[in-house]
Amino acid sequence: EPEVTQTPSHQVTQMGQEVILRCVPISNHLYFYWYRQILGQKVEFLVSFYNNEISEKSEIFDDQFSVERPDGSNFTLKIRSTKLEDSAMYFCATIRPGTAVYEQYFGPGTRLTVT
Amino acid sequence: AQSVTQPDIHITVSEGASLELRCNYSYGATPYLFWYVQSPGQGLQLLLKYFSGDTLVQGIKGFEAEFKRSQSSFNLRKPSVHWSDAAEYFCAARIYQAGTALIFGKGTTLSVSS
Repeated sequence: EPEVTQTPSHQVTQMGQEVILRCVPISNHLYFYWYRQILGQKVEFLVSFYNNEISEKSEIFDDQFSVERPDGSNFTLKIRSTKLEDSAMYFCATIRPGTAVYEQYFGPGTRLTVT
Repeated sequence: AQSVTQPDIHITVSEGASLELRCNYSYGATPYLFWYVQSPGQGLQLLLKYFSGDTLVQGIKGFEAEFKRSQSSFNLRKPSVHWSDAAEYFCAARIYQAGTALIFGKGTTLSVSS
């Protein structure tokens, strides 16, 4: 069964640096999401992306974050200037078209460590 | 505020024993409800979902969940736990016509003892 993949699995970066997290969605999926989970806390919604534009975003998703689908396949999350509090597991998710309840399929996550 | 609560942070169950993981939601309307499981190093895998209709839903790996509107609950159950069920379990919800983003509980870690 096709899966959502994410790269890298673990990224270590210094505070203030830019990072790009990558997701390869399942090929015919149309909605894309980023969530994050700070250690010991809830999985939190960041942003959804549909038809090449942001569909919804949370309060967390401020000007430091951006998303794009540069080549029609990869879906990326960019953090422009990382802060210590950006350290978290970041999950990509996608929705298969035609599902009544919008089942989201999640990738394995990228663990981001900001030092 | 809309929220999903999983009251138990960590549960230990003996192999072969039954399991119930609790989930409560706080919404004005009935949300769509989901249970996900995360094994170490893996993504979130959908176990089951509730949309409407029969309040007892069956999922993968022998899991089931029951929606109880009067208690605002969607508890996950399994009659006989296997060692491979040890993982973290997340309850999640979304509100129809309020976007497609999921709201998650904090998760319950399940340990299975032999």
